[in-house]
Amino acid sequence: SQTIHQWPATLVQPVGSPLSLECTVEGTSNPNLYWYRQAAGRGLQLLFYSVGIGQISSEVPQNLSASRPQDRQFILSSKKLLLSDSGFYLCAWGRGDTQYFGPGTRLTVL
Amino acid sequence: QKEVEQNSGPLSVPEGAIASLNCTYSDRGSQSFFWYRQYSGKSPELIMFIYSNGDKEDGRFTAQLNKASQYVSLLIRDSQPSDSATYLCAVNERNQFYFGTGTSLTVIP
Repeated sequence: SQTIHQWPATLVQPVGSPLSLECTVEGTSNPNLYWYRQAAGRGLQLLFYSVGIGQISSEVPQNLSASRPQDRQFILSSKKLLLSDSGFYLCAWGRGDTQYFGPGTRLTVL
Repeated sequence: QKEVEQNSGPLSVPEGAIASLNCTYSDRGSQSFFWYRQYSGKSPELIMFIYSNGDKEDGRFTAQLNKASQYVSLLIRDSQPSDSATYLCAVNERNQFYFGTGTSLTVIP
């Protein structure tokens, strides 16, 4: 069966610091991968999606970037965090019409 | 801009009652529809998906789709306190998912 991992589970970072969140998927090959952000009391915002290694599409212009160095690895990064980057970051994998979420990383920027 | 609209609630129902959650979408060409459940502080988990007009049942859950009216609903029969969560409606368009903001459901024992 497929499993999706995210780490860390929680993170507290100062404004202006860098960020790296990692997501890995097990049990499937060539999945579509997604990064979402869910701010407090708000819906899911799609940040990036990838259909293959090195193929990244950005949905929202911001100070975040994503990379997919391996088939089942998806990384979300920032060079300098903003207060507005606080939120619940969710990685998801999909194949065909379904999409499944990882456990998420709760990021607080102070 | 594709839009998925849900009543944010909160919706409260007594234990054992039927909970009805509704969702409308803007893109008439949308083909597949999903319901996710999200407990507080946790990630969303897939409950059901539906592609065709009509009803689809899975245990206590029934998804209903009406493409002509552009709405999809979720019925939860015999509601339990463990069903208390936020329910997210989603539409899949070319492998991109568009989510509503969710409806908060509370089942009162």
